[in-house]
Amino acid sequence: DADVTQTPRNRITKTGKRIMLECSQTKGHDRMYWYRQDPGLGLRLIYYSFDVKDINKGEISDGYSVSRQAQAKFSLSLESAIPNQTALYFCATSDWREGELFFGEGSRLTVL
Amino acid sequence: GIQVEQSPPDLILQEGANSTLRCNFSDSVNNLQWFHQNPWGQLINLFYIPSGTKQNGRLSATTVATERYSLLYISSSQTTDSGVYFCAVENNFNKFYFGSGTKLNVKP
Repeated sequence: DADVTQTPRNRITKTGKRIMLECSQTKGHDRMYWYRQDPGLGLRLIYYSFDVKDINKGEISDGYSVSRQAQAKFSLSLESAIPNQTALYFCATSDWREGELFFGEGSRLTVL
Repeated sequence: GIQVEQSPPDLILQEGANSTLRCNFSDSVNNLQWFHQNPWGQLINLFYIPSGTKQNGRLSATTVATERYSLLYISSSQTTDSGVYFCAVENNFNKFYFGSGTKLNVKP
């Protein structure tokens, strides 16, 4: 099993729908991140969390919200999805002592 | 934030050739990582290399932090090396910044 698991892996939805992407990790890391990747571009940070009580906005947080339900779980919500949120979404984790970033397998979201 | 520039943006190689990918960054960093995104979209950790040189099989990486660049070397390339290679740097506030990647196509 993967150390960083994302669900769903693929999702097609319609404009205006609420969508939640979930991430869970078994690495025991304290830090979790949500990134977005658009075709031909690098990854951009949406939100990050350094522990359960810490939530921070990244570069492109507008239109998104997050919840850190436990050290191992970090979910990303799109309250009212729009077509330009169609992208590949990645969850990542790191440990404050080591710093290396580890990614989940990605969630491909299409908003029609 | 830190600007990360990767070059070249695209690279086509014949199987067996060698290549060098470059990552320049605009400020001092705590950490630097190289990733390979395979054709299925998965991001694979290659190197965690804030400074110095590391080798893993046909791949090696060198980071010269004082001059703000890192190099990824691929020797004897194989078709399975195809994909996009990303460089990511971490600043003093534990935020990571990614370059736009180098898209590599290795032809048989």
